[in-house]
Amino acid sequence: SQQGEEDPQALSIQEGENATMNCSYKTSINNLQWYRQNSGRGLVHLILIRSNEREKHSGRLRVTLDTSKKSSSLLITASRAADTASYFCATDRGSTLGRLYFGRGTQLTVWP
Amino acid sequence: NAGVTQTPKFQVLKTGQSMTLQCAQDMNHEYMSWYRQDPGMGLRLIHYSVGAGITDQGEVPNGYNVSRSTTEDFPLRLLSAAPSQTSVYFCASSYSLTPAYNYGYTFGSGTRLTVV
Repeated sequence: SQQGEEDPQALSIQEGENATMNCSYKTSINNLQWYRQNSGRGLVHLILIRSNEREKHSGRLRVTLDTSKKSSSLLITASRAADTASYFCATDRGSTLGRLYFGRGTQLTVWP
Repeated sequence: NAGVTQTPKFQVLKTGQSMTLQCAQDMNHEYMSWYRQDPGMGLRLIHYSVGAGITDQGEVPNGYNVSRSTTEDFPLRLLSAAPSQTSVYFCASSYSLTPAYNYGYTFGSGTRLTVV
């Protein structure tokens, strides 16, 4: 079963706009991760936020985590056409045994 | 270049055939895993390994076998291919599972498998 559920399923914006994607999950976690997947390619790790962190930045990316609501958001500021990709959140469900569970992803399209 | 290498990139099998998908990493990562990705389904964990000689099942292990004889290699074997196994397969590795030292997973570029 899916652990993370991204919202929206698809997002279409213009270059320069901000893109916000949300992820909800159901169990306790050690950390939550966001990945990007370009069409026909493998997943690329973007950012990891630990359960005791509330916000994290990496370049144009900002991730927040609200463990009380079991939700996370990924903000991409000043989007570029090259940001067009699918974005996935993933959690470990509180385990260190090696299982990482992914949502179905948000398809982001950034128009020039 | 350091990373996760998957071979082959594309494969067509007939129903009932067997094959092995190869995965190798040169980052000395202890943890390795196999996922399959189907349209609209995200990624689902097939099998994983927390070190050489140690493997365990994920969410969808039926029809697949794995072994881990070395730190570097983690092959996935399809025992008797079925059309339901048509998918894109990804191998991933991670340095550590310990929460304080988990820095995320490195993925291979995938193997696109079609079973006819």
